[in-house]
Amino acid sequence: EVRLVESGGGLVQPGGSLRLSCAASGFTFSSDEMNWVRQAPGKGLEWVSYIHASGSTTYYADSVKGRFTISRDNAGNSLYLQMNSLRAEDTAVYYCARSPWGHFVSWGQGILVTVSS
Amino acid sequence: DIVMTQTPLSSPVTLGQPASISCRSSQSLVHSDGNTYLSWLQQRPGQPPRLLIYQISNRFSGVPDRFSGSGAGTDFTLKISRVEAEDVGVYYCMQATQFPRTFGQGTKLEI
Repeated sequence: EVRLVESGGGLVQPGGSLRLSCAASGFTFSSDEMNWVRQAPGKGLEWVSYIHASGSTTYYADSVKGRFTISRDNAGNSLYLQMNSLRAEDTAVYYCARSPWGHFVSWGQGILVTVSS
Repeated sequence: DIVMTQTPLSSPVTLGQPASISCRSSQSLVHSDGNTYLSWLQQRPGQPPRLLIYQISNRFSGVPDRFSGSGAGTDFTLKISRVEAEDVGVYYCMQATQFPRTFGQGTKLEI
């Protein structure tokens, strides 16, 4: 069974930092592209970032470019999102999603990040 | 960026009746490899999204055959042949032809 479990969320002040983790199991993690997608309270889905299976290529939404960094540890089956200079508008549930061939086939349950003073 | 526009944004439906959601992209979703990376996802209340359809018309594993997708180029449709109570939720189209990946605004299906 494929499992994606996010952790590391919580309450942080504007300008602060958080590091999200996503523990993967049930599939060959090192073979699949991965993403972070977020959903602000009561809003739709917003793609945040992508990382190639090897970790060699990354992409970001303009809204987070320069502030967020995606990375992965294929030996440890983990995906990360380092979030710096957080803003109120970054408040959302963050999902990690597996996307072989661009198809978002598996999603974690999500983790809430709240940016507030 | 490719803008994905869904209609309607809200759709009251009757159990056992068909439902249809449209999605239009601001530019062609045909990739240079010849494939069209248009997917449909379902998000039930309080749940993460779930993949229903990929590459326009391919049902993902475990998806009931009452769900079908069609379209080409910039215009796509998700159809539910007979709505069941478990189909309540928000439906999103999304494109993975180019970066940034983009989603439609979502269509709320309500009984």
